[in-house]
Amino acid sequence: SAVISQKPSRDICQRGTSLTIQCQVDSQVTMMFWYRQQPGQSLTLIATANQGSEATYESGFVIDKFPISRPNLTFSTLTVSNMSPEDSSIYLCSVVGLAGGIYNEQFFGPGTRLTVL
Amino acid sequence: GQNIDQPTEMTATEGAIVQINCTYQTSGFNGLFWYQQHAGEAPTFLSYNVLDGLEEKGRFSSFLSRSKGYSYLLLKELQMKDSASYLCALHNTDKLIFGTGTRLQVFP
Repeated sequence: SAVISQKPSRDICQRGTSLTIQCQVDSQVTMMFWYRQQPGQSLTLIATANQGSEATYESGFVIDKFPISRPNLTFSTLTVSNMSPEDSSIYLCSVVGLAGGIYNEQFFGPGTRLTVL
Repeated sequence: GQNIDQPTEMTATEGAIVQINCTYQTSGFNGLFWYQQHAGEAPTFLSYNVLDGLEEKGRFSSFLSRSKGYSYLLLKELQMKDSASYLCALHNTDKLIFGTGTRLQVFP
């Protein structure tokens, strides 16, 4: 399994500001993803973080709002830009499990709980 | 599209059996995951079905029928600690598309 940490664990931000969330994995992984989980709801995939190239965004999410970096195989950042209260959510990074299994299990980080005032 | 539906909430009593259904409409996928998520925590893996049929793992079993667009998670001998949200997710080229999630409450 992979151990995933996220920083910060939670934050309260003012409208119009930006927050960068970090995701660190204890081993090299091929695939990293960013999800959003709004209060009381399920997870929604924001984008796939690609190492060395631009992230691949899902429908409804754009790079200007959620710029993503992935400089190497163990680290990624997600920035929530020009925040509004609607961005209040839990943001989770996840990674595909290491090779060796018959399937690619995804492991999730502990999440970053963001509140925008 | 990939509409993935689950009942919003379910309740059950300790020691009982509960079945959580997941229905979907999709053109194709690698497999179907079930995750458990306790309040305030990250989702944790429960099961993964690739082929049709039942996969049993202790008190938890998961079933998949591709032709019917249907899966379920079966929880036996319920314990209080099983109170959590249960999420099914379609696995498609490494991406996970999550269902709406089912919040299960177990009562004594």
